[in-house]
Amino acid sequence: NAGVTQTPKFQVLKTGQSMTLQCAQDMNHNSMYWYRQDPGMGLRLIYYSASEGTTDKGEVPNGYNVSRLNKREFSLRLESAAPSQTSVYFCASRGGSQLPPYEQYFGPGTRLTVT
Amino acid sequence: SQQGEEDPQALSIQEGENATMNCSYKTSINNLQWYRQNSGRGLVHLILIRSNEREKHSGRLRVTLDTSKKSSSLLITASRAADTASYFCATDYTGANSKLTFGKGITLSVRP
Repeated sequence: NAGVTQTPKFQVLKTGQSMTLQCAQDMNHNSMYWYRQDPGMGLRLIYYSASEGTTDKGEVPNGYNVSRLNKREFSLRLESAAPSQTSVYFCASRGGSQLPPYEQYFGPGTRLTVT
Repeated sequence: SQQGEEDPQALSIQEGENATMNCSYKTSINNLQWYRQNSGRGLVHLILIRSNEREKHSGRLRVTLDTSKKSSSLLITASRAADTASYFCATDYTGANSKLTFGKGITLSVRP
C-alpha cells in the first residue's frame, strides 16, 4: 500500500516549457486534490476532483490544467511554465464529500523551479 | 476567502513544555482537522474533531472545538524536539463539495 505517489520529485523548467505532474493513489479514494505551497502562503488549492469524471477549479487555477484519468490518477499540467509557478506541489486524496476517510492523505511533493 | 487563521504564526518552547496552537474559522463546518508538516515533506493528518464534539484526545494531543466562537485549539503536551514542525488546521466546511480549507500554518520549534 504505497498511499499517494507523485512523480517527478524535482523538476527544473525554462520559461515557456510544458510539463505534467503525475499523482496516483491506491486507497480507492473518490476525491483528489492539487495544491501548491509557497513560503508564507500556506497551501493553496489549484484544482480538485470530487469524484471520478469531475474536476473543479480551486483558489489558484490560472496557468494549470488537470485530468482525472481514472479513479487512481490525477495529473496536473503546466502548458507554458512561468517563474511565478516555481513552488512545491502536493497531491492529496480522501474518501470524498461525506465519505470516509475524511482526512486527506498527501504525497511527498514535487519541487518545481521555473527559470 | 474562507481560509482559517492560525495563531500564533510561530511558537518556540523548551522541551517538556506544552504547546498550544489556535485556529479560527468563518462558517459552519462538518469537522476540523489538524495536520503536521516536517520540513520538506507532505502533510500528515494528526487528529479530526467533528462539529458535534467538544474535545478529543490522541496520545499527547488534545484538540478542542468551540463552534459558538468558531475556534479550535491544539495542545501538545510534554513536547519533544521531534515535535518541531509546521502545524496546519483545515476546515471541512458544510457544502464545500469535498474541499478542505487550510490555514497558513504555525511553525513550532521545540528547543532541546
